[in-house]
Amino acid sequence: AQSVTQLDSHVSVSEGTPVLLRCNYSSSYSPSLFWYVQHPNKGLQLLLKYTSAATLVKGINGFEAEFKKSETSFHLTKPSAHMSDAAEYFCVVGGGGAAGNKLTFGGGTRVLVKP
Amino acid sequence: EPEVTQTPSHQVTQMGQEVILRCVPISNHLYFYWYRQILGQKVEFLVSFYNNEISEKSEIFDDQFSVERPDGSNFTLKIRSTKLEDSAMYFCASTRDRSYEQYFGPGTRLTVT
Repeated sequence: AQSVTQLDSHVSVSEGTPVLLRCNYSSSYSPSLFWYVQHPNKGLQLLLKYTSAATLVKGINGFEAEFKKSETSFHLTKPSAHMSDAAEYFCVVGGGGAAGNKLTFGGGTRVLVKP
Repeated sequence: EPEVTQTPSHQVTQMGQEVILRCVPISNHLYFYWYRQILGQKVEFLVSFYNNEISEKSEIFDDQFSVERPDGSNFTLKIRSTKLEDSAMYFCASTRDRSYEQYFGPGTRLTVT
């Protein structure tokens, strides 16, 4: 079984300041991990993915995430928030289920960016 | 850039009615999925589909649900007799292989009254 916990349901940052979104996962095998973003009235867009290569993963729009197996964490960061980063972010673990391609989502973190 | 599309964007139906949600996956993709998100809750896996058959389904996906790929482009989710608790956002996704990088559509918001 696998599960994902996003530790903050809401995060508020000022434009130009760093963003940190926290995610912990549980998996009985080496997982694939993802961050997806959802802007209002849009679909889920892949930000980045970890699939057992480098532990520091770079994604689109300046985001990156670090896989820490000892802490079972996959936190998402960005050095400087932009107004366009206001959205909901989902941490996701893949590879579950009998067919091995089921995604399990965290509860989401809604990011508010203040000018 | 190719994308997954879904229609309609919003569907309102009465309890007990049948609804069909439609998706057009990315054209060279082989694996197809439905997920749903009830308001205020997590996105949940419903079903995966490959080679014209269901490869996995969740406990949510009971006999009221069915999926079909009627032609080479569409992928549909049918709910035979809708319940109030079926009200949710339904997302379709597709992927070319089992690399898990699933591409999602914008969703269909289903409201059952």
